[in-house]
Amino acid sequence: SQQGEEDPQALSIQEGENATMNCSYKTSINNLQWYRQNSGRGLVHLILIRSNEREKHSGRLRVTLDTSKKSSSLLITASRAADTASYFCATVSNTGNQFYFGTGTSLTVIP
Amino acid sequence: EAQVTQNPRYLITVTGKKLTVTCSQNMNHEYMSWYRQDPGLGLRQIYYSMNVEATDKGDVPEGYKVSRKEKRNFPLILESPSPNQTSLYFCASSLVAWDTQYFGPGTRLTVL
Repeated sequence: SQQGEEDPQALSIQEGENATMNCSYKTSINNLQWYRQNSGRGLVHLILIRSNEREKHSGRLRVTLDTSKKSSSLLITASRAADTASYFCATVSNTGNQFYFGTGTSLTVIP
Repeated sequence: EAQVTQNPRYLITVTGKKLTVTCSQNMNHEYMSWYRQDPGLGLRQIYYSMNVEATDKGDVPEGYKVSRKEKRNFPLILESPSPNQTSLYFCASSLVAWDTQYFGPGTRLTVL
């Protein structure tokens, strides 16, 4: 399987703190995407970073990509209770048209 | 409203009874995909479709069939469901293969 992995599996922080989660993947990629899932619901796209980009920002989100290490990180700054969810990275291989999702990080933000 | 719809949302069935889960999108997207989500395993791609009449296997295609006769619809067919296909299924679509995916609300399937 070419599925990626995320670290940590679970993260619990206080409201206002920053949350960082990491994603490692196995193949060369076209881009890497981060998604959010509220319990048992459909995934919602957060941010896309292309293979030739190293960092991208969107509101309180900051994503970095290191293609030499095949890894990415998602930073959520000034977290809120509403950020409580599972976060998944997904890669699109540059040799095909398949999506590979990581195993996810479960984030709990305590009010 | 731009959306991906799936039906049914919940389904309990028995081993061997053929079923179809429908998926429809109203965004004129070329790429559609089916995933299953199991605890600890994340999402795994079952099948995907680049466009009408163009489908291909994902990571876990065994036991599933798909068809893409119209651009907006991408049904998932389980010809002879087994208990190991008990899972949460998601349909997704995107304008093109490598783009942002829009997910449906999910179908929770239990096979007894």
